[in-house]
Amino acid sequence: GESVGLHLPTLSVQEGDNSIINCAYSNSASDYFIWYKQESGKGPQFIIDIRSNMDKRQGQRVTVLLNKTVKHLSLQIAATQPGDSAVYFCADLGGGSQGNLIFGKGTKLSVKP
Amino acid sequence: NAGVTQTPKFRILKIGQSMTLQCTQDMNHNYMYWYRQDPGMGLKLIYYSVGAGITDKGEVPNGYNVSRSTTEDFPLRLELAAPSQTSVYFCASSNQPTGGVNYGYTFGSGTRLTVV
Repeated sequence: GESVGLHLPTLSVQEGDNSIINCAYSNSASDYFIWYKQESGKGPQFIIDIRSNMDKRQGQRVTVLLNKTVKHLSLQIAATQPGDSAVYFCADLGGGSQGNLIFGKGTKLSVKP
Repeated sequence: NAGVTQTPKFRILKIGQSMTLQCTQDMNHNYMYWYRQDPGMGLKLIYYSVGAGITDKGEVPNGYNVSRSTTEDFPLRLELAAPSQTSVYFCASSNQPTGGVNYGYTFGSGTRLTVV
């Protein structure tokens, strides 16, 4: 079956540094990926998405990179701020099955002041 | 716009009791979903709906039921609560996938349920 997982469960960075959160997926048919941010006590919030025909997509302070060869994607956060502290999930559309996303376990990002 | 609204925010149930978790959205989204999130884990799909009158099982549907009588509302029913159903429940909605951009879901703030 397909799975979406994360390499590191926790990540601690210094304020101002760049953060990189990784995610691996197993379904080679996956054609759409999303990163979500979940702050404590809240629901996940959409950050950025990328389709499989792209290698890179940039947003405001965030960049998602997709490597289809090794089925890996990453979320880069530039100049990490305390407000970035949260759990980050990658999610995979899994080949277009009714739009149901498959979520990974998440990486907890802690930003040290 | 309120987005996706879930009630209640917290609930404690005794084993065998039943309850309904309410979810409503005001964005006219066709697709709605119920997920559960166990501590330190990702979200697992319980049920989803692609439109009013249509529902389908997700990954972990046992012990739950849903209905979708209107576009706005997607309640989740627990008939005989069990300790294994202790979790945080999230409702979400999205636009109908069109093959374009942004399949992103809008999530509610969650319901924290404890079964004792």
